[in-house]
Amino acid sequence: KNEVEQSPQNLTAQEGEFITINCSYSVGISALHWLQQHPGGGIVSLFMLSSGKKKHGRLIATINIQEKHSSLHITASHPRDSAVYICADTGGGADGLTFGKGTHLIIQP
Amino acid sequence: EAQVTQNPRYLITVTGKKLTVTCSQNMNHEYMSWYRQDPGLGLRQIYYSMNVEVTDKGDVPEGYKVSRKEKRNFPLILESPSPNQTSLYFCASSPGLAGGPWWSTDTQYFGPGTRLTVL
Repeated sequence: KNEVEQSPQNLTAQEGEFITINCSYSVGISALHWLQQHPGGGIVSLFMLSSGKKKHGRLIATINIQEKHSSLHITASHPRDSAVYICADTGGGADGLTFGKGTHLIIQP
Repeated sequence: EAQVTQNPRYLITVTGKKLTVTCSQNMNHEYMSWYRQDPGLGLRQIYYSMNVEVTDKGDVPEGYKVSRKEKRNFPLILESPSPNQTSLYFCASSPGLAGGPWWSTDTQYFGPGTRLTVL
């Protein structure tokens, strides 16, 4: 069974710091997703990766298929980045998504 | 506005009373899915559908039913709710590339969530 592990579980940082959130998975994948869940509960899809790196604004996502590892980076972090960040992968088959438990990020002014 | 809607947003019910949570998307998406989110367990997939009349079980399908009679709607049915189904439920949809698998799209669009309490 596919397992997805995220680290750290909780992260508090100061505004402006460079943030890294890690995601490891156990089964070869077709695609890995990064999601953001706002304090109000709404979920937004940030990235889908199957190889390499993607960038959107201050967010960068990378994936290493051989090491079964992905990272989400936030540059010049801001209090509005405070949220729960969740990675999810497809497990390499036609099944649905398996999710990590999420990383709770707080950026202090 | 492109969106996924869920109703109701909040529901308190009693054990055994059948209920349906509706999900509708206006983006002509092929793929739709239901998730539940519980503290300490994160998001878990209940059921998903890759097209009309095609549904498959996710990780935690027990106690739930779904149907996909129309492309835009994907209701979640709890025939006999129990307290362990108290949770936050999310519906999501994604376009999928033409002729490709659903996971090959960049974006899943999530509904606002339904907070269900079963007493």
